[in-house]
Amino acid sequence: GQNIDQPTEMTATEGAIVQINCTYQTSGFNGLFWYQQHAGEAPTFLSYNVLDGLEEKGRFSSFLSRSKGYSYLLLKELQMKDSASYLCADNYGNNRLAFGKGNQVVVIP
Amino acid sequence: GAVVSQHPSWVICKSGTSVKIECRSLDFQATTMFWYRQFPKQSLMLMATSNEGSKATYEQGVEKDKFLINHASLTLSTLTVTSAHPEDSSFYICSARTSHEQYFGPGTRLTVT
Repeated sequence: GQNIDQPTEMTATEGAIVQINCTYQTSGFNGLFWYQQHAGEAPTFLSYNVLDGLEEKGRFSSFLSRSKGYSYLLLKELQMKDSASYLCADNYGNNRLAFGKGNQVVVIP
Repeated sequence: GAVVSQHPSWVICKSGTSVKIECRSLDFQATTMFWYRQFPKQSLMLMATSNEGSKATYEQGVEKDKFLINHASLTLSTLTVTSAHPEDSSFYICSARTSHEQYFGPGTRLTVT
């Protein structure tokens, strides 16, 4: 079944680096997404990993290990606007996404 | 990136009435759209997969007679919450797929009084 696990909240200062972890135990795995969601808004796409390794996109990077059922999102050079919830989601077949509860990141000056 | 719109952005309705929410892909065609629901401080939960020209596929535990989905064209899917009750108050979000990415609409906040 779909079992996505994420820690719930973390605080970091501007300019810092944070790593958000996600573990999953899913059947029919077809890739892992990371989304950013500000309060009251819909999620916005950040990254997609289907193969093992690190994908880098500007200040955001995402890593996947399929054998370990593990992914992380790395946020570098934190900015105040990065305060949001970060959701990992597993594509478990037919492009259906199972989301974790999200990790709330609070950036402080 | 691709743009998905939803209408309305928010709606308040009385218990027992029905509410229709529209989801449109504005600059691409989507044979498949998805409907999610999110309660406060909870994760997004997939409700159903909307398929253009055919019946929607509902996730386990979602009542298909209560949440009616119609995907009449390649750019429009609608979700109708029938006989709404206060427990249906939630944030409803649709998404549309392009290749292996999914883009989400801005969401519709439904409050049932």
